[in-house]
Amino acid sequence: QKEVEQDPGPLSVPEGAIVSLNCTYSNSAFQYFMWYRQYSRKGPELLMYTYSSGNKEDGRFTAQVDKSSKYISLFIRDSQPSDSATYLCAMYSSGNTPLVFGKGTRLSVIA
Amino acid sequence: DVKVTQSSRYLVKRTGEKVFLECVQDMDHENMFWYRQDPGLGLRLIYFSYDVKMKEKGDIPEGYSVSREKKERFSLILESASTNQTSMYLCASSFPGYGYTFGSGTRLTVV
Repeated sequence: QKEVEQDPGPLSVPEGAIVSLNCTYSNSAFQYFMWYRQYSRKGPELLMYTYSSGNKEDGRFTAQVDKSSKYISLFIRDSQPSDSATYLCAMYSSGNTPLVFGKGTRLSVIA
Repeated sequence: DVKVTQSSRYLVKRTGEKVFLECVQDMDHENMFWYRQDPGLGLRLIYFSYDVKMKEKGDIPEGYSVSREKKERFSLILESASTNQTSMYLCASSFPGYGYTFGSGTRLTVV
């Protein structure tokens, strides 16, 4: 079983839709969770960073962590064509251990 | 804004050549990382470094080496390039326990 599982998509939605992106993980030691957005031919950029369980909101984006289910989500409200990108989840346990990335979900928002 | 600069966006090299990929960051980050990204395989960690002259193997170090003589610079070396090393190479840096900042990537083609 891979440490982090993420549906690769592609996911195609109409403009204005609510998008839900998800990852599951197997290592119960993970405590720090991130979402990165990667546009075509660019490096990933950090979108959201959460610690332990709970929700975090930033504008149209909400990150949710459920440690009991080992499940994290990223919600995008009022999606825009500019949100079209690949979204990668990432997580780590503690200290200075490297991030473990999901493979990414490709999202297209159609105008 | 922190910047991670990779010396080349596109590179074409011949099989057997020694290849140097350079990465420089300007925010005094302790940690630096080299990944390769391939369709369907996601981001895979090659090497990382938590300090000058220090290096740790990632998940796929075979065929690669690294050098970190100065805090701001982390070089990836392909000792004898092979066609299966054709890939997108991404450098990243961070403070311990913080999210990564990625460079724009180098698309390497080995012919």
